[in-house]
Amino acid sequence: AAGVIQSPRHLIKEKRETATLKCYPIPRHDTVYWYQQGPGQDPQFLISFYEKMQSDKGSIPDRFSAQQFSDYHSELNMSSLELGDSALYFCASSGGLAGGSGRNEQFFGPGTRLTVL
Amino acid sequence: AQSVSQHNHHVILSEAASLELGCNYSYGGTVNLFWYVQYPGQHLQLLLKYFSGDPLVKGIKGFEAEFIKSKFSFNLRKPSVQWSDTAEYFCAVNTGTASKLTFGTGTRLQVTL
Repeated sequence: AAGVIQSPRHLIKEKRETATLKCYPIPRHDTVYWYQQGPGQDPQFLISFYEKMQSDKGSIPDRFSAQQFSDYHSELNMSSLELGDSALYFCASSGGLAGGSGRNEQFFGPGTRLTVL
Repeated sequence: AQSVSQHNHHVILSEAASLELGCNYSYGGTVNLFWYVQYPGQHLQLLLKYFSGDPLVKGIKGFEAEFIKSKFSFNLRKPSVQWSDTAEYFCAVNTGTASKLTFGTGTRLQVTL
């Protein structure tokens, strides 16, 4: 079965540079979530989109922005990178029949490991 | 806002030992509960989930969990662990349809031969 695809898998950037992370949800999933997992930490929710509209916002820095496109893929744009942004960034998707329990379960991608030097 | 507590941060077991990992959440309303496993260097994989109904849920790889509403708990169990179960285990909750997950701090399980 198709899974969530994230690219790139690894990214190395210098401080103050920008980065763009991409997420392709499972086909027919209309909701995308972004999470950040620092070294040895639990995943922290950043932002989510439903039908191309932002649906919830968590602890996402103002330097970060994200959007969901018409084909439901999502991009997380990160500017003025800091050393502390080094982390694993997960994208998850959910979807299904309206009102169905499928919307409650999130499927995670393999993550993008961002290293800021 | 909801929160999740996992009291066991690092657990070391011998193969064939029984496992129970604690998870407590705080939220006054209806919750959906999940256990995820993360093998070293890999992404989060769903072990099991609870939405409603039978509070004892069975997941993959022989894992099960019991939802006890009165205790706000969703403990993970496995009768006999294997070396391949060595991983990080995260309990998570969300509180509505298509809502964000809140994770616990994780429990690192190390299974020795």
